[in-house]
Parts: sequence; structure tokens; C-alpha cells
Amino acid sequence: EAQVTQNPRYLITVTGKKLTVTCSQNMNHEYMSWYRQDPGLGLRQIYYSMNVEVTDKGDVPEGYKVSRKEKRNFPLILESPSPNQTSLYFCASSLDRGHSPYGYTFGSGTRLTVV
Amino acid sequence: GQQLNQSPQSMFIQEGEDVSMNCTSSSIFNTWLWYKQDPGEGPVLLIALYKAGELTSNGRLTAQFGITRKDSFLNISASIPSDVGIYFCAGQETSYDKVIFGPGTSLSVIP
Repeated sequence: EAQVTQNPRYLITVTGKKLTVTCSQNMNHEYMSWYRQDPGLGLRQIYYSMNVEVTDKGDVPEGYKVSRKEKRNFPLILESPSPNQTSLYFCASSLDRGHSPYGYTFGSGTRLTVV
Repeated sequence: GQQLNQSPQSMFIQEGEDVSMNCTSSSIFNTWLWYKQDPGEGPVLLIALYKAGELTSNGRLTAQFGITRKDSFLNISASIPSDVGIYFCAGQETSYDKVIFGPGTSLSVIP
């Protein structure tokens, strides 16, 4: 089944403790992206990757890092999480940055709480 | 930067009623998209629109690409409980640009 898999689904952590949220897709998509969803603000893009070893900042990149060493994986790294990074995070993938007829495929989300 | 506005922010409707929501932009878009997010899941593409004036249906859902290319509309007919969720509009200025998402319209259906 074609899908984007995020782990973990839920995470509670303490301020300053480094964490990684993994994202993997099995569709051979070139484009992958991370979003955060906050009430009233919709989906805001954190980082995106056009292909292996090619990453770029989205609209809200501060406090996050990403890497794209393999086509299928695009982990999101929070080096020193803070409470304002408490949010619902989504990974998405697509054939390319532009919109293919099939749209973006989203993962099921990771709900992160930083205390 | 580019922004999309969605109206209304939230809706509470009776099962069986029709629903209308819209999305506006300060920029002209070449592509308009509508996604639905079920509770606890990621958004899923409902309808994609590629041409000004285009009207496209997907079951009980109908979406339109506004003539001005700065807006789009989504209608749901005869709502049912499984229509509950957040509906996001999204747009793209050109086929090479990233997709911009609106803040969403939250729909609740009262049985």
C-alpha cells in the first residue's frame, strides 16, 4: 500500500531533550515536506526536500533540522525542543514540488508535547 | 508572503443539510485544491481544479475554480456524519511553486 509513515504518533518530551521524528514513503516520490498544524493557523511548512541531499527552509524553520540522505526517508530533528514547538506535525510526499494530479500524500501525524 | 483565507472558520450543521465554504487569495492561482482531514489523520486530496471557471464533482462534493482565479468554493450536499473534519483549501501560483494551504474550515455534523 502506498503510504507515508511517521513515527512516533504521540510524543511527550522535556524542554531541551533532542528528538527525531521519522518519516518514510514507499512511492519513490522526489518531493518531501514537513508541516506543523496549529489551531487557527492551518498547515505551515517547516522544511522541504526536492530530492536526495537537497533541502530548503519553509515558512517556519526556526528550531528544526532535516536531512535527506535517502529518497524514502526525511527525518525531522528538534535539537533543543521548546514548549512553543508543541504541535501536530505532518510529513507529506509528492512526485514533485508542483502538484501532481494525485496530490500530496500525508502521514497520519505526530502529536508532540514539550513540557 | 502568500496567504489564503477560508470562510467560515467553523460550521455546525444538521445532518442532511447542504454546506458551502470558500477560499480567497490575494494572488492569482493556477491550481486550486481541496483536502479533507478526518479527526486523527492527515489531510487527503478531495478535488483538484486547474482552470478558471472549472466545476468538478466528487460524489456529493462539488468544487469550483473562481473566474477571478483568486477564489474557490466547495459545496457538500446532503451532509452525513462522516463529513465531519477539517477542510483545507490549497493553491499554487504556477506548476513549479509550492502548494500554499489555507487555515481550514472545521465542519461538525449533528445527527
